[in-house]
Amino acid sequence: GAVVSQHPSRVICKSGTSVKIECRSLDFQATTMFWYRQFPKKSLMLMATSNEGSKATYEQGVEKDKFLINHASLTLSTLTVTSAHPEDSSFYICSASGPPVDEQFFGPGTRLTVL
Amino acid sequence: GESVGLHLPTLSVQEGDNSIINCAYSNSASDYFIWYKQESGKGPQFIIDIRSNMDKRQGQRVTVLLNKTVKHLSLQIAATQPGDSAVYFCAYRDDKIIFGKGTRLHILP
Repeated sequence: GAVVSQHPSRVICKSGTSVKIECRSLDFQATTMFWYRQFPKKSLMLMATSNEGSKATYEQGVEKDKFLINHASLTLSTLTVTSAHPEDSSFYICSASGPPVDEQFFGPGTRLTVL
Repeated sequence: GESVGLHLPTLSVQEGDNSIINCAYSNSASDYFIWYKQESGKGPQFIIDIRSNMDKRQGQRVTVLLNKTVKHLSLQIAATQPGDSAVYFCAYRDDKIIFGKGTRLHILP
């Protein structure tokens, strides 16, 4: 299957700082990328959907000014957690899909810890 | 709204036995279901999928059953191995994938 990577795999930051997480499709062009958040022992919750070159569509209850998503190329999407606080600590997972396959491929996740 | 839920949060199975993980869904319009495996600290891994025009699909050691009448989905793992220890999620997909709550599968030696 296609490969999706995330960077960094782990990040620790101080409260009030911003953190950028990258999601890359390594061997296919991802026209659509998805960002999920997963709290400990919980399920994956979809945060937003981004299509290359357009603004992301956020799920209800997700603050778009807090979680900035950029999908400027067919192989890269970024999620920036602005002014992070301890409650933003979570496991962030991206997925990507694009032609010719219809499947969604998941990245390995990024563990964010905000002190 | 749409939801996908699981009956049991934890399932303990003897190594070598078969495992059955169950899932209920509420959205009658769902027509594509997927099972994922997630190991600790990793992203979800695709296991098997099924469309609503089928009631059974088999893979290597895994079988998914779909009962549309009662909106129930199950994942059967044959001859469970230590490497099967993980959290299993059912999910449905329309233009995005929505995950259920997850069941942790614990393998007893």
